[in-house]
Amino acid sequence: DAKTTQPNSMESNEEEPVHLPCNHSTISGTDYIHWYRQLPSQGPEYVIHGLTSNVNNRMASLAIAEDRKSSTLILHRATLRDAAVYYCILRGISGGSNYKLTFGKGTLLTVNP
Amino acid sequence: EAGVAQSPRYKIIEKRQSVAFWCNPISGHATLYWYQQILGQGPKLLIQFQNNGVVDDSQLPKDRFSAERLKGVDSTLKIQPAKLEDSAVYLCASSPIQGGFGRNEQFFGPGTRLTVL
Repeated sequence: DAKTTQPNSMESNEEEPVHLPCNHSTISGTDYIHWYRQLPSQGPEYVIHGLTSNVNNRMASLAIAEDRKSSTLILHRATLRDAAVYYCILRGISGGSNYKLTFGKGTLLTVNP
Repeated sequence: EAGVAQSPRYKIIEKRQSVAFWCNPISGHATLYWYQQILGQGPKLLIQFQNNGVVDDSQLPKDRFSAERLKGVDSTLKIQPAKLEDSAVYLCASSPIQGGFGRNEQFFGPGTRLTVL
């Protein structure tokens, strides 16, 4: 499985933007970049995904480097409810177990009031 | 739309006892997953079902863990006998299709926290 590297933890202040980095230097041409987050005492939830172009949705934005070896999840205005562990995951499309999500340790985001 | 349901939410057992967890996925979701999440780590896939067939069980400790998905709907995960290192949160997730292009979002339940004493 292609691997990702994320900082163990990051801290932000409420209502400020947060940029969560992810390195994936061994990404293949058909790997999608997925982000999930896990709030305390809950199961993970989908945040956003992308392949080559930057993506926006109501939760966040995903900026993907031109060479696809890194990406950044952007929370435009952090709230206390955004405090969670954020996982950057590469997901293949070639079939069978390549569809599975392989979670690393993720980045623990702390949001200060 | 109802989410993924799991029960029980908490379970405490002694080592060498057996335990079973139940999962009811979102209606119509063909794919069901069981994950194990040890404290401080990300979830690890134990088994993946497509309808009632197993797609991937490469990380399931088959000497003590078993899972079934009868009729392609709800599923049970069993541990027999339990060891201390099985203490973890067991998460169930479901998705509409197995995979392919695009979002293919997995929807997770709240998990069952197992403590083995």
